[in-house]
Amino acid sequence: QQQVKQSPQSLIVQKGGISIINCAYENTAFDYFPWYQQFPGKGPALLIAIRPDVSEKKEGRFTISFNKSAKQSSLHIMDSQPGDSATYFCAASNPPSGNEKLTFGTGTRLTIIP
Amino acid sequence: DGGITQSPKYLFRKEGQNVTLSCEQNLNHDAMYWYRQDPGQGLRLIYYSQIVNDFQKGDIAEGYSVSREKKESFPLTVTSAQKNPTAFYLCASSMRGRTEAFFGQGTRLTVV
Repeated sequence: QQQVKQSPQSLIVQKGGISIINCAYENTAFDYFPWYQQFPGKGPALLIAIRPDVSEKKEGRFTISFNKSAKQSSLHIMDSQPGDSATYFCAASNPPSGNEKLTFGTGTRLTIIP
Repeated sequence: DGGITQSPKYLFRKEGQNVTLSCEQNLNHDAMYWYRQDPGQGLRLIYYSQIVNDFQKGDIAEGYSVSREKKESFPLTVTSAQKNPTAFYLCASSMRGRTEAFFGQGTRLTVV
């Protein structure tokens, strides 16, 4: 069962536009929702993370919004640039229990065209 | 510099052979993880360890084995029982009780 559903699988956006990636979470126990950015041949790097008691978090051009009742979050990239071209993953984990682990979505390949 | 080091970056294996992927971290993190990445399937958890001398199976543990004898090291062995081992393998670590995970640069394993 896929607990973290991510869409779209791929996305092409013109330079300067807004990129939007969505995630839906099946497990109501999840309480930590990070987003990762991965460039080809590299490991993922944490981009931004949010807790369910916060509805929005912004870091520069990157914003996460979170809808607790709908169990969904979205990543918005404003003024998208060619350097933003990468694969983006949403993820989620349970509260700290000594046995926590991250569950990832399937990823979105973002391409920013001039 | 603190971080996670995976080696080798590229690895070729003949069918029927076991191979071991190295993962070392100097972040003083308690928890370490191994993920497998295939195109279109995201990151799938193979094994994870929250403390030395203890580890748990993830979602796709069959054909893999790990050990955690030292806090800094979490090697992954891909055994001959793994039927489709060609993939990009990622190691990660985090502080126990916090799931902000830091990843290594990955090892690309190819069966030849």
